[in-house]
Amino acid sequence: NAGVMQNPRHLVRRRGQEARLRCSPMKGHSHVYWYRQLPEEGLKFMVYLQKENIIDESGMPKERFSAEFPKEGPSILRIQQVVRGDSAAYFCASSPTISDYETQYFGPGTRLLVL
Amino acid sequence: RKEVEQDPGPFNVPEGATVAFNCTYSNSASQSFFWYRQDCRKEPKLLMSVYSSGNEDGRFTAQLNRASQYISLLIRDSKLSDSATYLCVVNEGGAGNMLTFGGGTRLMVKP
Repeated sequence: NAGVMQNPRHLVRRRGQEARLRCSPMKGHSHVYWYRQLPEEGLKFMVYLQKENIIDESGMPKERFSAEFPKEGPSILRIQQVVRGDSAAYFCASSPTISDYETQYFGPGTRLLVL
Repeated sequence: RKEVEQDPGPFNVPEGATVAFNCTYSNSASQSFFWYRQDCRKEPKLLMSVYSSGNEDGRFTAQLNRASQYISLLIRDSKLSDSATYLCVVNEGGAGNMLTFGGGTRLMVKP
């Protein structure tokens, strides 16, 4: 059973460009979470999605960031007009149910570098 | 005030030592608790869940004190391979089911 998959693993963008990060959850998992880890900091929750629905986006910056999890295909985190402060590791996690005690399994992350 | 607080370390210990990490959380309504391990530039991996009764997994023992809002992790007989950052993680429940991470405690086990 393949784990959570993320691609690309590394992404370099110039200021003002768009970044698209993809996440395929574990097989059978319908809940996806995105977290951001800035250099030398802890992980911070960004958004929680189920298929075709955003459940909680309380951690998403108000502008330039959006996320989707379509009926078919991976979840996408999109960052428009990137700035240097967006440079970070972006981790996706998935879980099979919403139970509080259900473990979230993390993907390897996408490391975004904005030049 | 941070929601989940940890001593960042680093804790430098010799092989075979016993080391303990502590963590406090601010939300008394938090539902579930975990320790994750993160190796340099890798994703967090679940080490163990933490239960009020305390739980043990091999050399690792976790404790939760809900009254004090305090979580601990004890590692016995440290191995070189235990060197990593240990993340205290809280699930505050609710519709979001999001995890709130502490900043991590770095452990370095030396020969």
